[in-house]
Amino acid sequence: NAGVMQNPRHLVRRRGQEARLRCSPMKGHSHVYWYRQLPEEGLKFMVYLQKENIIDESGMPKERFSAEFPKEGPSILRIQQVVRGDSAAYFCASSLNGEGTEAFFGQGTRLTVV
Amino acid sequence: TQLLEQSPQFLSIQEGENLTVYCNSSSVFSSLQWYRQEPGEGPVLLVTVVTGGEVKKLKRLTFQFGDARKDSSLHITAAQTGDTGLYLCAGATGAAGNKLTFGGGTRVLVKP
Repeated sequence: NAGVMQNPRHLVRRRGQEARLRCSPMKGHSHVYWYRQLPEEGLKFMVYLQKENIIDESGMPKERFSAEFPKEGPSILRIQQVVRGDSAAYFCASSLNGEGTEAFFGQGTRLTVV
Repeated sequence: TQLLEQSPQFLSIQEGENLTVYCNSSSVFSSLQWYRQEPGEGPVLLVTVVTGGEVKKLKRLTFQFGDARKDSSLHITAAQTGDTGLYLCAGATGAAGNKLTFGGGTRVLVKP
């Protein structure tokens, strides 16, 4: 997973605050995926983005969650008005192309809502 | 909805023993990836299998993709304590980029 950078590694937010999670993909990768891992559960797909476009957001909660991958800069996963149930590890992965190429993961951001 | 079932969920063995982890689905995947995840870290890619019936070896680890591309197995020979970790299989459909469906994971503990 070398090269996919996520920050912060740990984030603590109070209920009702906003959380912003950042992901810089591996150099040359233009496809980014966000996954969520709840305690004691597997990783669940949230959203797939390609530069400036959301390709698939079928795993995103309908409210409070949004994601972007601007032309310049990292991909951002934004959670508004956080609740305790949002506490989880959020992982970003990137791939060189879409279909048929391997995805490499970052180290994750662990969000704790207090 | 595509599902990947991993078994067993937890495996505890002595160093030097062999182990096999299974990953099964009723869906066909264009490729299947195996990851290992350490506590507090992200998943690290071990291998990708693409062709039905494919077998790949990575030192003491052997990965097999089923002929119908619905299932896979990971076999570790002569396990070492360093093999302890969470092993995850993940299937890609190809039609949705690299959107992965993950299994629930198998937690492996190798005791000295």
